[in-house]
Amino acid sequence: DTAVSQTPKYLVTQMGNDKSIKCEQNLGHDTMYWYKQDSKKFLKIMFSYNNKELIINETVPNRFSPKSPDKAHLNLHINSLELGDSAVYFCASSQVARLNTEAFFGQGTRLTVV
Amino acid sequence: TQLLEQSPQFLSIQEGENLTVYCNSSSVFSSLQWYRQEPGEGPVLLVTVVTGGEVKKLKRLTFQFGDARKDSSLHITAAQPGDTGLYLCAGEEVGGSEKLVFGKGTKLTVNP
Repeated sequence: DTAVSQTPKYLVTQMGNDKSIKCEQNLGHDTMYWYKQDSKKFLKIMFSYNNKELIINETVPNRFSPKSPDKAHLNLHINSLELGDSAVYFCASSQVARLNTEAFFGQGTRLTVV
Repeated sequence: TQLLEQSPQFLSIQEGENLTVYCNSSSVFSSLQWYRQEPGEGPVLLVTVVTGGEVKKLKRLTFQFGDARKDSSLHITAAQPGDTGLYLCAGEEVGGSEKLVFGKGTKLTVNP
C-alpha cells in the first residue's frame, strides 16, 4: 500500500495551459504539504494544510491554488503554466503540524512546461 | 543565501570507503533532520536530532548535531553502492518562520 500517492508521475504540457496534480495519503495524518524541487534539487515548501485548513502559504504565485477536500487529500491546481514552473512537485504528509515530526513524501510529479 | 549550506555538493567514492557530509548554518535550529532521496523517489527520513551535541547511529550511519545547534554532520562507514543518493538536511530555525527549511543536498555516488 502506497502511503502518499500523487498523480500523475509525469506531466508535459504547453505554456498557458491549466493543470492539476492530485495527492492522497492513507496514513491518517492531519497535515499535508506541497513542495517544489527545482533542477538543482533545491526543495522548497509551497503550502501546508492541517485538517483541511491552510497554515503555510509561501510566496507562491497565485496561479497555484491548493485544495483540500478532506484531510486525506491535497490537490494542486496550476493556472496559466509558465516555463519556470517546470520542476518536480512533491506532496508530503505528517502526523501533526510540528516541524520535527517525520514527513512522508510521495514519489513526485515531474512537470515539464514546453 | 542559503539558510542551510551542505557540503560537499557532489561526492563520488569507492565501495568500502568512509565519508562525512556536512550541513552548516549561521542560524540556530531547534531540530535538524536528514533525508535520503533516490532518483525518481521522494525524500525518506533517516533521523531527527534535537539536542545540541546529540549523536545518533543508524547501522553504518552516524549523525551528529553541533553543540550550538547550528550544524550537523553525517558520517558513513564502509560505504556501499546502496548508500548512493541525495542526502538532504532540513531544519526548523529558532525564531524563524515555522517552516522546514532544506539544504541543497549532497549527491553521493558509491561505486562498486
